[in-house]
Amino acid sequence: DTGVSQDPRHKITKRGQNVTFRCDPISEHNRLYWYRQTLGQGPEFLTYFQNEAQLEKSRLLSDRFSAERPKGSFSTLEIQRTEQGDSAMYLCASSVSSGSIYNEQFFGPGTRLTVL
Amino acid sequence: RKEVEQDPGPFNVPEGATVAFNCTYSNSASQSFFWYRQDCRKEPKLLMSVYSSGNEDGRFTAQLNRASQYISLLIRDSKLSDSATYLCVVNGGAQKLVFGQGTRLTINP
Repeated sequence: DTGVSQDPRHKITKRGQNVTFRCDPISEHNRLYWYRQTLGQGPEFLTYFQNEAQLEKSRLLSDRFSAERPKGSFSTLEIQRTEQGDSAMYLCASSVSSGSIYNEQFFGPGTRLTVL
Repeated sequence: RKEVEQDPGPFNVPEGATVAFNCTYSNSASQSFFWYRQDCRKEPKLLMSVYSSGNEDGRFTAQLNRASQYISLLIRDSKLSDSATYLCVVNGGAQKLVFGQGTRLTINP
């Protein structure tokens, strides 16, 4: 399967614990995005990388959240001191970059986080 | 006010019916517009891009009205497999996508 992969697919944690999610983009894609989706809502943008550079962060990304893409390939999203409000689906997407205004983003299956 | 607004539904229609979804967006500087489809507990997938001239892909027709900041999706001759949530999406600048809440559609046999 050459699509975007995410690991783990499900994570249950207790409030106050730290969690880390991993995303592996499509191999030739140099842009990588993180979104969060809560029940009954559309995905909300969190942050995006071009290669290893983090170019934009949403105000939704509080100081408890940190994302990295150290070698411009896979990315990790860490949430420290989780809160019940962090329970959501965390989606990763990737795209190529070109001269187009927009390049299609391909989404991974997501990591579903439940904070007890 | 949300940047992209759409009727959350749910829409329940019989197989073979025509169904229309609408959405509005608030950022007049937006340049790219899309409809995504999301099946239950799955990731969103691009259904079609939306152009000012309107575009059609089989049973699906999308329209964009920039003056009214309004986007529509029409599904003709609906199939059971069309049951899903349809997300109205706008390119919010710097490559980020801004999603509407989604409209849930159920096609009944």
